[in-house]
Amino acid sequence: GAVVSQHPSWVICKSGTSVKIECRSLDFQATTMFWYRQFPKQSLMLMATSNEGSKATYEQGVEKDKFLINHASLTLSTLTVTSAHPEDSSFYICSARTPRTDTQYFGPGTRLTVL
Amino acid sequence: AQSVTQPDIHITVSEGASLELRCNYSYGATPYLFWYVQSPGQGLQLLLKYFSGDTLVQGIKGFEAEFKRSQSSFNLRKPSVHWSDAAEYFCAGGDSWGKLQFGAGTQVVVTP
Repeated sequence: GAVVSQHPSWVICKSGTSVKIECRSLDFQATTMFWYRQFPKQSLMLMATSNEGSKATYEQGVEKDKFLINHASLTLSTLTVTSAHPEDSSFYICSARTPRTDTQYFGPGTRLTVL
Repeated sequence: AQSVTQPDIHITVSEGASLELRCNYSYGATPYLFWYVQSPGQGLQLLLKYFSGDTLVQGIKGFEAEFKRSQSSFNLRKPSVHWSDAAEYFCAGGDSWGKLQFGAGTQVVVTP
């Protein structure tokens, strides 16, 4: 149980385009999902907290207009990187929190490369 | 400021030997504490967690961790490592809202 999927697993796009990444909790309902960014050989940095039916809460220094987050249902959150630039290239990881256990389960991540 | 520190960036251990990964935290109150493992191409997998109660926590894959309030530590241990334990290990601290702060990670290499 407690499986989280991400799609796509990797994406390459041109500079200036937008990319959408999906995060799904497959076997549980997640009222809260989180989005992280991980640079090569570095730790995960929390970007934003996504609550179903409300606006996402962004961490300091994260541009909310660039990283659009939508939590449309209890099993789906999306991250859209708008007008992507090469410096946005990174590994993006989502997690979903189970209400009963207060534990986060992580997706496998999405590798974004912006050319 | 809240922080989680993993002093060791890289550890090499022989297969069958014991392993201990260090984690120190700095929080105003006792945080929720977690250890995750990240293998190439796979998502972070929860090894164990501490919220309260017994300070020695048992996890999956034969791992355990001990919470020591006096030392602000939550070190991860395994008595005998297997080659499959080679991975990146992350300690994380969390608040009641679920926000996690990760340490820098420790890369574990297992030699024959």
